[in-house]
Amino acid sequence: DQQVKQNSPSLSVQEGRISILNCDYTNSMFDYFLWYKKYPAEGPTFLISISSIKDKNEDGRFTVFLNKSAKHLSLHIVPSQPGDSAVYFCAARFSGSRLTFGEGTQLTVNP
Amino acid sequence: EAQVTQNPRYLITVTGKKLTVTCSQNMNHEYMSWYRQDPGLGLRQIYYSMNVEVTDKGDVPEGYKVSRKEKRNFPLILESPSPNQTSLYFCASSFYGEKSEAFFGQGTRLTVV
Repeated sequence: DQQVKQNSPSLSVQEGRISILNCDYTNSMFDYFLWYKKYPAEGPTFLISISSIKDKNEDGRFTVFLNKSAKHLSLHIVPSQPGDSAVYFCAARFSGSRLTFGEGTQLTVNP
Repeated sequence: EAQVTQNPRYLITVTGKKLTVTCSQNMNHEYMSWYRQDPGLGLRQIYYSMNVEVTDKGDVPEGYKVSRKEKRNFPLILESPSPNQTSLYFCASSFYGEKSEAFFGQGTRLTVV
C-alpha cells in the first residue's frame, strides 16, 4: 500500500526553465510534508517542507505547493540549473517522526 | 560537523553470513531509523528507534534486527542475509517532533551472493 506516490520516474527540463515535480498521497492523517534531494553516492538531503496548515512555502528558487483537498503536493524549481539534476523524494509524516517516502523522480536539467 | 556516519560504505557478502552495518550520529538526536532504497520502490523504513532501548518495526522489518543501547548508535544487523536483501541502505536521525527534518548517512551498498 503505497501511501505516497510520485508517478513520474523521470523529468527532463532545459536550464533556466521551471521544473515541476509532483507527489500524491492517500493518507489524510499526514500533516507535514518534506522534499529531499539525492545525488548519486550520497544520502538524501533535506530541501524544503510544508505544514498541512499552509498551502505554499517558498525558499529561494524552490517552492512547495500543497493542495489538501486533492491530496497533492508539488515542488517548483525556477529557474532550473544543471546542479539541480538529482533524484527528488517526496515524504510525509504524522504522529511524530515516522516518514513515508515516495518512489522518487529523477530530474535532469540540460544546459 | 553535524553528521550521520555509516560503515561500511560497500559490502559484498555470502548468503547466511551474519553482518552488522553501523550507524552513528553526533547531533544528540532521539529518533533514528534505517531505510532501504530499491529501484521503483523509493525509501522504505526497516526499523526505527524513538530513544535508547526503544525500537519498533517499520514497513519492511523481516530479516533485520536493530539495537539502541546508546543514543548515538543504531546498528542494523542481518543475522542470515539473503540475496533479496541486496540493496542500498540508509541510516537517518532527527529530533523527535513533527517539524524535524531527518539527516541521512551516505549509504551502504550491500550485495548478498
